[in-house]
Amino acid sequence: GAVVSQHPSRVICKSGTSVKIECRSLDFQATTMFWYRQFPKQSLMLMATSNEGSKATYEQGVEKDKFLINHASLTLSTLTVTSAHPEDSSFYICSARGQRGASGAKNIQYFGAGTRLSVL
Amino acid sequence: GENVEQHPSTLSVQEGDSAVIKCTYSDSASNYFPWYKQELGKGPQLIIDIRSNVGEKKDQRIAVTLNKTAKHFSLHITETQPEDSAVYFCAAIDYAGGTSYGKLTFGQGTILTVHP
Repeated sequence: GAVVSQHPSRVICKSGTSVKIECRSLDFQATTMFWYRQFPKQSLMLMATSNEGSKATYEQGVEKDKFLINHASLTLSTLTVTSAHPEDSSFYICSARGQRGASGAKNIQYFGAGTRLSVL
Repeated sequence: GENVEQHPSTLSVQEGDSAVIKCTYSDSASNYFPWYKQELGKGPQLIIDIRSNVGEKKDQRIAVTLNKTAKHFSLHITETQPEDSAVYFCAAIDYAGGTSYGKLTFGQGTILTVHP
């Protein structure tokens, strides 16, 4: 079953509204969480990396005031797309990295199912 | 930083045939190489991985090989089935503190189609 839960799976919103996407690690503590954006038929583009309790590190070209990331606990991170516009329409995917179980391999990165954002 | 090249971009095979996807990486410090399968409209799913201290790893119909000297690694799928059809991504990461520490670098992806 899924080890990373991402919600919502799909959201349609009007231009100018803000949208929050949640990402939870279900059975492990995620020391690091990642947010990606994926355009059709392309690879994943890393937007930002966050560690629990500290500010996210954004990749070059990603507006931190546009894409607000909060990583308040070891199992939850949120991405808020503020004042969304049609060009923000995309597939957003979160990922969590940590160790599952006492004997699990460390630093395995698991992905959520993604959120399809459509801004009208 | 790391750069990962993946080939081919598309691969079409008949059910039961084998499929091979190849990736090369640039950063010799990379030491962990996962492969992900992404179905349409879903997030990537880890299917197999290999660490730099191992040359080959197998899990049922899936195997991965790593050549550290040549800096390339490959995914092998045997006895392919229609449900293997998806986009496959290779990735590389350096966990030891090099320039690409902490971040997966993905290949461009391979669209695999298995025809019944």
